[in-house]
Amino acid sequence: GENVEQHPSTLSVQEGDSAVIKCTYSDSASNYFPWYKQELGKGPQLIIDIRSNVGEKKDQRIAVTLNKTAKHFSLHITETQPEDSAVYFCAARDVTGGGNKLTFGTGTQLKVEL
Amino acid sequence: DGGITQSPKYLFRKEGQNVTLSCEQNLNHDAMYWYRQDPGQGLRLIYYSQIVNDFQKGDIAEGYSVSREKKESFPLTVTSAQKNPTAFYLCASRKGAPNEKLFFGSGTQLSVL
Repeated sequence: GENVEQHPSTLSVQEGDSAVIKCTYSDSASNYFPWYKQELGKGPQLIIDIRSNVGEKKDQRIAVTLNKTAKHFSLHITETQPEDSAVYFCAARDVTGGGNKLTFGTGTQLKVEL
Repeated sequence: DGGITQSPKYLFRKEGQNVTLSCEQNLNHDAMYWYRQDPGQGLRLIYYSQIVNDFQKGDIAEGYSVSREKKESFPLTVTSAQKNPTAFYLCASRKGAPNEKLFFGSGTQLSVL
C-alpha cells in the first residue's frame, strides 16, 4: 500500500511570511493528492488538491506543487494570517484495491505569530 | 444544509462495553469511511464502504465493526476487543468515481472511563 511522509511536524512563521509543508509518497501509481486543514476539535476540510497530470495548482494564497519523478508534493501558503494557524494534512490516493482509499501524512501544526 | 453529521460529539466507554458512533450524510454520496485520529498522528483508516450492504476493512479494523444498511448511514461500533479506544473518530464520505474529493464530519471524541 501507499506510505506518505510529511515534514515538518511543527512550523512557526511570522504573520505575512510564507509557509511550506512537504510530503513524499511511495507508490508511483498514486494519482491524486489532496491537502486538508483541521482546526481544533473539528474535522479536516479540503483546501486544495492536485492530480498527477498537473505540476502546480493555485488558489489565492494557497498553491500545491507536484514532482512525480521525485514522488513529492508541497503546500505553499503565502502572506500567512493568524487564521491560517491549524493542522495541515497531506494525502495520496492508494490505487490498490480499486483506488478508493486515501493515505494521510502525520500532519503539520502551523502557527502564525503576530 | 447538506453535510455529514456525527454524534455524539463526546462519548465515554466503560470497561468491557460496546459503544456505537453515528454517522449520517445527506449528500447522496456513495462511499463512506471511518478514520481514527490519535494526537500527533495522521488519520488511519478503520473501515470503508463503497455501496450499501458492502464494506471493507481498512488498516486498523481489529476491535471495530460497521454496517451499511442505508446509503445515508454508516455507524461504527467500538467493541470491548478494542483495548485502546481513546481517540478522535472521523467519518467521511465521497460521491464516487470519478470524484475523489473526501468530505469529513466534525468528529466524535471517545474516552475510556
